[in-house]
Amino acid sequence: DIQMTQSPSFLSASVGDRVTITCRASQSIAIYLNWYQQKPGKAPKLLIYDASSLQSGVPSRFSGSGSGTDFTLTISSLQPEDFATYYCQQSYSTLPITFGQGTRLEIK
Amino acid sequence: QVQLQESGPGLVKPSETLSLTCTVSGGSVSSGRYYWSWIRQPPGKGLEWIGYMYYIGSTNYNPSLESRVTMSVDPSKNHFSLKLTSVTSADTAVYYCARSTSGNSRTWFDPWGQGTLVTVSS
Repeated sequence: DIQMTQSPSFLSASVGDRVTITCRASQSIAIYLNWYQQKPGKAPKLLIYDASSLQSGVPSRFSGSGSGTDFTLTISSLQPEDFATYYCQQSYSTLPITFGQGTRLEIK
Repeated sequence: QVQLQESGPGLVKPSETLSLTCTVSGGSVSSGRYYWSWIRQPPGKGLEWIGYMYYIGSTNYNPSLESRVTMSVDPSKNHFSLKLTSVTSADTAVYYCARSTSGNSRTWFDPWGQGTLVTVSS
């Protein structure tokens, strides 16, 4: 299995801050990396696909970058509604598709 | 706009079979553009992909669950289903259905159903 490791696991930040979350794959996954946002009691929501493509309807303050083994999700200016848990997901190998352990973003 | 809704028992006894259905509205499970997935999340934990299937019946399961999982699709009812046999407390989770873009490397999940909590307990 391809292991996905996110850092940090927990992040405390303020409204207006620039925040970066990192996802590292245990082997190269090219650009086959996706990011999701999950709020408490809700299903995950797709934010970014193919490492850097913004899903339709997602605010432009979200951006993704990276290739190979190292990827980042950046929120340029945190808004109150952005406080949530974020997951990365690889699909380079579909046996199995795997997710990172999550990064919980909380208000400072 | 496609919407997905999970349904099924919220409580299953150990060693029995978990059965869930995902009803699709605003789109067709027979659309050749998409695959249909199940993903679960134990309480307070992360996401685990269970598997996906294509409308003609081809499937791809997580190897860790493959011996216990069966997925199927019913185009006449526009829904797809999950069966997980011989459940234990480790299978207690929120189960999500989701639409997948494809069955190859460019696979992401969007949209998702709201999720349904299944508890395994006697």
